[in-house]
Amino acid sequence: RKEVEQDPGPFNVPEGATVAFNCTYSNSASQSFFWYRQDCRKEPKLLMSVYSSGNEDGRFTAQLNRASQYISLLIRDSKLSDSATYLCVVNPLWGNQFYFGTGTSLTVIP
Amino acid sequence: DAGVIQSPRHEVTEMGQEVTLRCKPISGHNSLFWYRQTMMRGLELLIYFNNNVPIDDSGMPEDRFSAKMPNASFSTLKIQPSEPRDSAVYFCAAARGQETQYFGPGTRLLVL
Repeated sequence: RKEVEQDPGPFNVPEGATVAFNCTYSNSASQSFFWYRQDCRKEPKLLMSVYSSGNEDGRFTAQLNRASQYISLLIRDSKLSDSATYLCVVNPLWGNQFYFGTGTSLTVIP
Repeated sequence: DAGVIQSPRHEVTEMGQEVTLRCKPISGHNSLFWYRQTMMRGLELLIYFNNNVPIDDSGMPEDRFSAKMPNASFSTLKIQPSEPRDSAVYFCAAARGQETQYFGPGTRLLVL
């Protein structure tokens, strides 16, 4: 079983739509969670960390559900510039290794 | 801070040649990671170092791949001999403990 699993998509949504991605992780002891964004032919970049109580950054909301072992990312009022691949990342307590999901592709259509 | 620096940015070589990829991590970030990314397999962790010591190299494909970190400010990933299936984007990333990983711009490798 993979450490982190994501629906690869693609998600094609119109501008202004709300879209949500989920990601499940297998290690219940995992402590740190992140969402990264990767644009075409670029490196992954941190979008936001995911805190236990959930957190929001503008149009982006991240949530953690420890009981069901998943994290989510909600994007409201989608912009064309949100088109990218979104990677969820999990860092287990027992090491420095970060586990990346395979990414979910989002295309926002005019 | 300049962030993670990788060189070269692009490399085209012929099968059988030795390839050396270089990484300069962010100062003070004591964990360094080498990843490979392809369309088919996504982002794969090859090896990571903590305080210059290799911790987990289970992702290194085979003996043709080797990585070193002689000091806190420099790491190399070497492929010898290279094969066409090694063609990918190779990323180096740095982190401080369990904090965020910062990626370099990557090296695009094409082995003909």
